Amino acid sequence: DIQMTQSPSSLSASVGDRVTITCQASQDISNYLNWYQQKPGKAPKLLIYDASNLETGVPSRFSGSGSGTDFTFTISSLQPEDIATYYCQQYDNLRITFGQGTRLEIK
Amino acid sequence: QVQLVQSGAEVKKPGASVKVSCKASGYTFTGYYMHWVRQAPGQGLEWMGWINPNSGGTNYAQKFQGRVTMTRDTSISTAYMELSRLRSDDTAVYYCARVRGSLRLEHGMDVWGQGTTVTVSS
Repeated sequence: DIQMTQSPSSLSASVGDRVTITCQASQDISNYLNWYQQKPGKAPKLLIYDASNLETGVPSRFSGSGSGTDFTFTISSLQPEDIATYYCQQYDNLRITFGQGTRLEIK
Repeated sequence: QVQLVQSGAEVKKPGASVKVSCKASGYTFTGYYMHWVRQAPGQGLEWMGWINPNSGGTNYAQKFQGRVTMTRDTSISTAYMELSRLRSDDTAVYYCARVRGSLRLEHGMDVWGQGTTVTVSS
């Protein structure tokens, strides 16, 4: 199975900062990479699908890029409501793997 | 509106089985794959497998092979996940999640159930 290495595992930033999270796949997954936001006690929410497509209704400060094995998720200007844990998720050959998650805190 | 509503919390003893339901509404149930994902307390997301509600076809994560069974009842737009031979480390919140895009697996999970807490304790 494909392994996903997500970094950092935690991150502290100030409101208005640009925040970047990376995910690396153990082999080529084309653009089959999705990003989720999860707040405490809630189900995950899809933010970005197919590496760079913004899900309907998601603010434009969220973006994603990459293909192959290396992917990036960016919040262009951090807002207080963005405090959450973020996960990448890959699809390959009928199987799914999640990254370990990145806990984002306000500094 | 499109939603998935899961069954209520369960408490089970080690060695028992649990069956969680996920009722879909607001869309054509047979038109979208359904994943099951779990999250142990304080831990990350763990994929368990998927079911094609149209055909009933399934694919399970290797870790759960032999212990998990995913089924569906199209007459009531409901998917089920049964996990057998429960252990204490199966204590987790279990989610069903619809795959974005009709009968495609690649595009992420766009609708999630509210989660079902399963506690395994003697």
